[in-house]
Amino acid sequence: AQTVTQSQPEMSVQEAETVTLSCTYDTSESDYYLFWYKQPPSRQMILVIRQEAYKQQNATENRFSVNFQKAAKSFSLKISDSQLGDAAMYFCAYRPLYIIQGAQKLVFGQGTRLTINP
Amino acid sequence: DGGITQSPKYLFRKEGQNVTLSCEQNLNHDAMYWYRQDPGQGLRLIYYSQIVNDFQKGDIAEGYSVSREKKESFPLTVTSAQKNPTAFYLCASTKLTSGENTGELFFGEGSRLTVL
Repeated sequence: AQTVTQSQPEMSVQEAETVTLSCTYDTSESDYYLFWYKQPPSRQMILVIRQEAYKQQNATENRFSVNFQKAAKSFSLKISDSQLGDAAMYFCAYRPLYIIQGAQKLVFGQGTRLTINP
Repeated sequence: DGGITQSPKYLFRKEGQNVTLSCEQNLNHDAMYWYRQDPGQGLRLIYYSQIVNDFQKGDIAEGYSVSREKKESFPLTVTSAQKNPTAFYLCASTKLTSGENTGELFFGEGSRLTVL
């Protein structure tokens, strides 16, 4: 079964600094999606960034970027120039590409709580 | 605007009462999901549905029931058999058709159920 592991239950960073959240996953599939979701205190789940496994180029969305290492099954999220509004719970998630592989379900990690210190 | 609407946002019920949480989407998504989240915890899958009139149990289905009579709607009933129903409940949906599928789940704003 596919699993997603976030080994850092909590992280903190100074405002304007850079922080990296770790995520590893286990799968035997070669085609899949990886995601980082943000859950602020409002508890709304917000998609931060998406990576397709067939793309070698790391995804980037403004201050958010990933380091996708397919062979190592690692998918870390880097937040540059951290802002107070980045404080949230961050979830890493995996989803196979095809339904026959279980694409109807996302597998979530346990989350990392990020605190931004002013 | 397209999106997922959950209601009510907050719900208080007495122990032993059944409660139904509403989830409606106008995104023309195929699959819909219910997750439970306890304080400081991750998301646990309760039920999901890929198509109308069909649904599958997730990891923690005991004490819950669902229906999918319409593509847009996937209500969740928390029954009196659920031992610890106080939690935050999130509904989500996604496209399954290849070519239109960007992969991610879209989430509603959640419903907070408190059983007194």
